Amino acid sequence: GESVGLHLPTLSVQEGDNSIINCAYSNSASDYFIWYKQESGKGPQFIIDIRSNMDKRQGQRVTVLLNKTVKHLSLQIAATQPGDSAVYFCAEPYNNNDMRFGAGTRLTVKP
Amino acid sequence: GAVVSQHPSRVICKSGTSVKIECRSLDFQATTMFWYRQFPKQSLMLMATSNEGSKATYEQGVEKDKFLINHASLTLSTLTVTSAHPEDSSFYICSARDRRTGLETQYFGPGTRLLVL
Repeated sequence: GESVGLHLPTLSVQEGDNSIINCAYSNSASDYFIWYKQESGKGPQFIIDIRSNMDKRQGQRVTVLLNKTVKHLSLQIAATQPGDSAVYFCAEPYNNNDMRFGAGTRLTVKP
Repeated sequence: GAVVSQHPSRVICKSGTSVKIECRSLDFQATTMFWYRQFPKQSLMLMATSNEGSKATYEQGVEKDKFLINHASLTLSTLTVTSAHPEDSSFYICSARDRRTGLETQYFGPGTRLLVL
């Protein structure tokens, strides 16, 4: 079936630098995407979402970019902090009910 | 808003026993709740979709008699792992969709770590 996937399984950045986490999707009909953050031993936490009628959406220190032409999604974290260390998943609703998750990218922030 | 709780957070049981995990939406009503399973360093795998007042819909390969789901109210869904075995040891996470917003966003509980000895 169609899937949502990630380019990089791990990402290590220096504290204070910006982080970019990428995600590719295959369903061109997808119109809504979500980024989740999952810290070790915890459930996923909603970060930010974006609809397909937008190509950019900003939150607090986070920005999601959507390129529908190449079916690519990215999460940018500004001034990355140690507390940002976690696994980040992109996800899209599927079949009106389900949520399909990418494989996840582990972000490690070095002090 | 949109807080989901799970209980217990961690459980250790003997092989052959049954374990019940509760998922509650604390500040919103959820007509639909979802149960996921997550193995170490892997993504979430949907097990079943739970709708209030009706039978759960199970994903392919998930035994409905093994993983009993009850969604008795708009704020509570339970997952019972029956006759648990060591291979059932995993991290179980529930999520709920906020019916107020009508959006597809799912809000997740903190997860329950099950260890079957």
